[in-house]
Amino acid sequence: DIVMTQSPDSLAVSLGERATINCKSSQSVLYSSTNKNSLVWYQQKPGRPPKLLIYWASTRESGVPDRFSGSGSGTDFTLTINSLQAEDVAVYYCQQYSTVPYTFGQGTKLEI
Amino acid sequence: EVQLVESGGGLVQPGGSLRLSCAASGFTFTSYWMHWVRQAPGKGLVWVSHIHIDGSSTNYADSVKGRFTISRDNAKNTVYLQMNSLRAEDTAVYYCGRSNGYVDFWGQGTLVTVSS
Repeated sequence: DIVMTQSPDSLAVSLGERATINCKSSQSVLYSSTNKNSLVWYQQKPGRPPKLLIYWASTRESGVPDRFSGSGSGTDFTLTINSLQAEDVAVYYCQQYSTVPYTFGQGTKLEI
Repeated sequence: EVQLVESGGGLVQPGGSLRLSCAASGFTFTSYWMHWVRQAPGKGLVWVSHIHIDGSSTNYADSVKGRFTISRDNAKNTVYLQMNSLRAEDTAVYYCGRSNGYVDFWGQGTLVTVSS
C-alpha cells in the first residue's frame, strides 16, 4: 500500500498569515498516461463531512477560495493557505487515488 | 443539487451484520463510480471500498476484505455496503462519496457502533 505521511500533525498560524501543510507518499502517484499526480486535498470541520479543496495535486475545486493552492509532484506535495481566515480552522487531509487502496494521510489540524 | 443520503447505521453486537445504503440524487448516477470511506471517532479518514458504474468491478481495503461487500442498484440510484462479521474496530462514521477517482462529493455519513 502507498503510505501517505503529512507534516506537521498540527499547526498554529496567525490570522492573515500563511499556512503550509506537507504530504509525502511512499511511492510516486504520478499517473503516467496523463502526466498528472493523483493527489487530492480535503478540509474537514468538526461534525462535518470532508470538503474537496484541490485535486490532481494543484487544481482548485470550483468555489474554493483562491487563497488555497496545491503544488508538488511525484512523492512530495504541499497545500498552502494564504491570508489565513478564521473559517480555515479545520483538519486537512491528503489522499492518493493512484493505486488501490486509496490511502489518506493522518491529517493536519490547523488552528489559529 | 447533488445529494447523497446514507442510512442503515446503528448499534450492532460484535459478529453481527448491518447493511448501509446511500441514496443518490441530482446527478447521473450511472456515470460515476462510488466510494465508501469511514472515520472512527476522533480519528482520520480511511478508504473502505469502491464500485464501478455498472457494478462489474469492486475493490476493498484489506481490513474489510472478505467481510464487507459493496453493491449498487442503478435503477434505485443507490449504493450499498453489506457489513458482516463486524468488529469493535469497525465502529465509525461511514460516508459514501461520488467518484471522479477522488471523492468529489460526500454524504453526511451514518454512524455504526459495534459493541456488546
